[in-house]
Amino acid sequence: GDSVTQMEGPVTLSEEAFLTINCTYTATGYPSLFWYVQYPGEGLQLLLKATKADDKGSNKGFEATYRKETTSFHLEKGSVQVSDSAVYFCALSVAGNQFYFGTGTSLTVIP
Amino acid sequence: DVKVTQSSRYLVKRTGEKVFLECVQDMDHENMFWYRQDPGLGLRLIYFSYDVKMKEKGDIPEGYSVSREKKERFSLILESASTNQTSMYLCASFERPRLNEQFFGPGTRLTVL
Repeated sequence: GDSVTQMEGPVTLSEEAFLTINCTYTATGYPSLFWYVQYPGEGLQLLLKATKADDKGSNKGFEATYRKETTSFHLEKGSVQVSDSAVYFCALSVAGNQFYFGTGTSLTVIP
Repeated sequence: DVKVTQSSRYLVKRTGEKVFLECVQDMDHENMFWYRQDPGLGLRLIYFSYDVKMKEKGDIPEGYSVSREKKERFSLILESASTNQTSMYLCASFERPRLNEQFFGPGTRLTVL
């Protein structure tokens, strides 16, 4: 079945460090891929998305490229800030019917 | 902006009580979802609905039911709350095919004593 596997946390980085959070997927069709972010005490909000192979989603300095050959959608940011501290979820949707989420990766950025 | 609201941010109930969690969206979305979020397990789908009065079971429907009498409102019901239903509950909506992202409410943290 369809599923998402993302790296386990927690991840702790110093401010201005480079961030990578790995995400791989299994899907029977042609999924859309998403990264959601959850700040403390809040619901999830969309960070970025990609709907087809080789698409790159980007927002707020974060990027992820849809790699069909490696079934991956890794999240990257060149220089993290304290305000990026949150939980990050990778997700996929096939035909927009259901969404499958990873277990989440907690990121803490220290000054 | 799409807005999804949930009736309570925090809720404390006792074992055996009937619990209602309400979710309202203001963008006329057809699709609405209820998830629970637990540490280490991510989001798990409880129920979803494609239209008024329609509902489909998700991955973990046991112990829950839902109601969708109006398009904008999707309610999650715990008929007899148990301690293992202590969790964060998240509601989401989306409209396909124009937009294929889900919009989430702020969540309800439910504690069952």
